[in-house]
Amino acid sequence: ETGVTQSPTHLIKTRGQQVTLRCSSQSGHNTVSWYQQALGQGPQFIFQYYREEENGRGNFPPRFSGLQFPNYSSELNVNALELDDSALYLCASSSARGETQYFGPGTRLLVL
Amino acid sequence: AQSVTQPDIHITVSEGASLELRCNYSYGATPYLFWYVQSPGQGLQLLLKYFSGDTLVQGIKGFEAEFKRSQSSFNLRKPSVHWSDAAEYFCAVHQGGKLIFGQGTELSVKP
Repeated sequence: ETGVTQSPTHLIKTRGQQVTLRCSSQSGHNTVSWYQQALGQGPQFIFQYYREEENGRGNFPPRFSGLQFPNYSSELNVNALELDDSALYLCASSSARGETQYFGPGTRLLVL
Repeated sequence: AQSVTQPDIHITVSEGASLELRCNYSYGATPYLFWYVQSPGQGLQLLLKYFSGDTLVQGIKGFEAEFKRSQSSFNLRKPSVHWSDAAEYFCAVHQGGKLIFGQGTELSVKP
């Protein structure tokens, strides 16, 4: 059974740029959730995708957007990057909306 | 609003000593509760979870946690800590499909 994978592992961008992060869910899982973890903080929920539809969103501006594909992999897109967007971005998959979430290794984004 | 509090930001224990990490939650209904562990620069690994039933749950790596509804707590315990347990530990409550995390407790293990 393949676990949750994320790419890239690290990324450096400058303010105002756009970034796309990718996540492949665990085999058999149809739900993907994205979290932002700032340094020294717990993860904060960004949004969740279930069967290619957004299924819940946290307190993040619209410049954070996402997609889920028919194979249940997902992308997180962030436009107009700001310095405060520097964080570890975690993807988690689950077999259904209410089930246990399993996390990938994360993508560390640095915005200069 | 639902919330999770981990009162201890940093704990240091000696190798072989027992460990208890505290977690308090605020949630109206019966909560789904989780403990995750994060090594430096890594993602989160699930240690254990509580959905219902027996209030003492066993997890991986010798960890256990006890759900106490009267105290709104879900404390994590381990009888004998190993140096490899040094990491950050997060308690989380499940709400409407998302996880709400505490701030985390950093565990250091001294020889």
